[in-house]
Amino acid sequence: DTGVSQDPRHKITKRGQNVTFRCDPISEHNRLYWYRQTLGQGPEFLTYFQNEAQLEKSRLLSDRFSAERPKGSFSTLEIQRTEQGDSAMYLCASSFSGDSSYNEQFFGPGTRLTVL
Amino acid sequence: AQSVTQLDSHVSVSEGTPVLLRCNYSSSYSPSLFWYVQHPNKGLQLLLKYTSAATLVKGINGFEAEFKKSETSFHLTKPSAHMSDAAEYFCVVIVFGNEKLTFGTGTRLTIIP
Repeated sequence: DTGVSQDPRHKITKRGQNVTFRCDPISEHNRLYWYRQTLGQGPEFLTYFQNEAQLEKSRLLSDRFSAERPKGSFSTLEIQRTEQGDSAMYLCASSFSGDSSYNEQFFGPGTRLTVL
Repeated sequence: AQSVTQLDSHVSVSEGTPVLLRCNYSSSYSPSLFWYVQHPNKGLQLLLKYTSAATLVKGINGFEAEFKKSETSFHLTKPSAHMSDAAEYFCVVIVFGNEKLTFGTGTRLTIIP
C-alpha cells in the first residue's frame, strides 16, 4: 500500500509529557499537511510543508507544538508539555503541487492522542 | 475567509432510499468545494470535487453534488443508499492560492436496514 501512513495510530500519555508523531507521505508528493480533529468537529488545519520548508502555520499551533520535515520526505509533529486539551486525532495529508488549481490532498489514518 | 456550514449533524435513511446531505459555503473568492467521507478507523477519502468546471459533479460510489452559486450551496446526493454508505461526511472549501482545507463539522449518515 503506497498511501499516507502515520505512526503510532494511538498514543496515551500523561499531562506534561512530550509526544512525537510521524507521517510518511506518498512518495512522490512534495506537500505535506497536518490537521487536528477533535470529537464532533471537522479537521482543522495546523501547518503545511512544501518539500522541507514550512510555509504556513495556524494560530492553533501554539509554541508547544513543532513540526519538521527535515529531508522533504517524512514529517514529525511534536507536542511538548501535553495538556488535556491536546487530546484529538492528528491527521496528516500529502499532495503533489502541479498545474491544476487544486491538488488533491490524500489523508492518512491519523494518530489518536489521549492525554490523561 | 471561507467557511462551510453543514446543516445536519446526523441523517438517517433507510437502505434503498435517497440520500441528501446539505452544505452551504461562504467565500470571498471563487471556491473549490469537496466532499470527503470518513469511515471508522480509516482515513478521509475524497468523494468528489468542484473546481469551477461543470456545476453537477459526479463522484465515487454513486454520489453526486451540484454547485449552486445563487444559493451558495453544494449538497451531496445519492439516489439509493447502501449499508456501506454509513460514515461521517465532510463538506470542504478551499480557495485558489490557499493551501488549507476548511472543513465543515460533519454529517453522520446512518443507514437503516
